[in-house]
Amino acid sequence: EAGVTQSPTHLIKTRGQQATLRCSPISGHTSVYWYQQALGLGLQFLLWYDEGEERNRGNFPPRFSGRQFPNYSSELNVNALELEDSALYLCASSLVGLSYEQYFGPGTRLTVT
Amino acid sequence: KNEVEQSPQNLTAQEEEFITINCSYSVGISALHWLQQHPGGGIVSLFMLSSGKKKHGRLIATINIQEKHSSLHITASHPRDSAVYICAVAASGSRLTFGEGTQLTVNP
Repeated sequence: EAGVTQSPTHLIKTRGQQATLRCSPISGHTSVYWYQQALGLGLQFLLWYDEGEERNRGNFPPRFSGRQFPNYSSELNVNALELEDSALYLCASSLVGLSYEQYFGPGTRLTVT
Repeated sequence: KNEVEQSPQNLTAQEEEFITINCSYSVGISALHWLQQHPGGGIVSLFMLSSGKKKHGRLIATINIQEKHSSLHITASHPRDSAVYICAVAASGSRLTFGEGTQLTVNP
């Protein structure tokens, strides 16, 4: 069974540009979570989608947004990129709800110059 | 004070040593996760606990809900166990909150 996949693996953007990151969950999983791990910092919760709806949002500005498609794949969009947005962005999927084990993708490393 | 505290922050052990990593949290939770992150960033979910104890191979995780504390044990440690171990808690209806992680290095 295929695991969680993310694309691209690496992304280099300049300040002010927009970045789009993609995630495909494990088949049968309806919940998708996005996390940010900035260099030297711990994991921070960004967004949680389930059944196409945003269920919860972390303490991030509105420049960070996303959506979940009918096939449960998800996009994370970061607008007006700032240098401090450089980080590893991880996607995870699970059956619905936080009481289920989350399976993580390999991540997208975003570098903003 | 962080909602999730891990100790130690760094741990160096010799191969075959028994290792314990601790996690304390301050909120009511529905589940606690132990994650392993290898150099390069890949994260693997090791355990999800809501009570008691779970074992998988050389790894054992325990949780004491009353004391708001969990431990991750590694028996007969091996250099390939070297990684960052992260504790995360799921408060009911809310997001995962992560500890800062414990960097484990196991020397041959």
